[in-house]
Amino acid sequence: QSALTQPASVSGSPGQSITISCTGTSSDVGSYNLVTWYQQHPGKAPKVIIYEVTKRPSGVSNRFSGSKSGNTASLTISGLQAEDEADYYCCSYAGSYTSVLFGGGTKLTVL
Amino acid sequence: QLQLQESGSGLVKPSQTLSLTCAVSGGSISGGGYSWNWIRQPPGKGLQWIGYIFHSGNTHYNPSLKSRVTISVDRSKNQFSLKLSSVTAADTAVYYCAREIGGSKFDYWGQGTLVTVSS
Repeated sequence: QSALTQPASVSGSPGQSITISCTGTSSDVGSYNLVTWYQQHPGKAPKVIIYEVTKRPSGVSNRFSGSKSGNTASLTISGLQAEDEADYYCCSYAGSYTSVLFGGGTKLTVL
Repeated sequence: QLQLQESGSGLVKPSQTLSLTCAVSGGSISGGGYSWNWIRQPPGKGLQWIGYIFHSGNTHYNPSLKSRVTISVDRSKNQFSLKLSSVTAADTAVYYCAREIGGSKFDYWGQGTLVTVSS
């Protein structure tokens, strides 16, 4: 049960859009629409920004959106803002034995 | 507003047992179909799910840690606990407790507590 694969880093300028990918297998991301994205600022606990692939909790900006194709889930942030600079983690349900898998995390830098 | 707070030893010697407790306030640990989880994050690294417990006492652990992990619940104190045995330096991490509402969605987290394994 390896971790889900994310790029180590992405960057973008204010106002631009970026996409972070999260690649799993047919046993996790590909089998369940149960992918969650977390945002983590330094020294803080992670916060849910997308759940069940595409849903946004109340209070989360509509600049955040999620999608999935096959074994790969994606997080898109549009209209980048300085406050979006953080680490982002994907997480997927992976069945009753493994239960939950996290991605390795992606550091977003807003230039 | 639900709050979770980790407590326990911040320094553990190699080969000994790490023990942490998560106190839950603002809600009952016995209410609803939630699981109560432990997740850790080594310094500068990513998140790793350790395991969960339901208020019923049913548990499930990460297969890679299963032989060393025990999670228990104390409903009278509204808290749950983690024990990780035979620790090494690789177990040095910030340990978080969190509630899972289902499907990999951890909606409430503690602030995290750093545990260092060192002699």
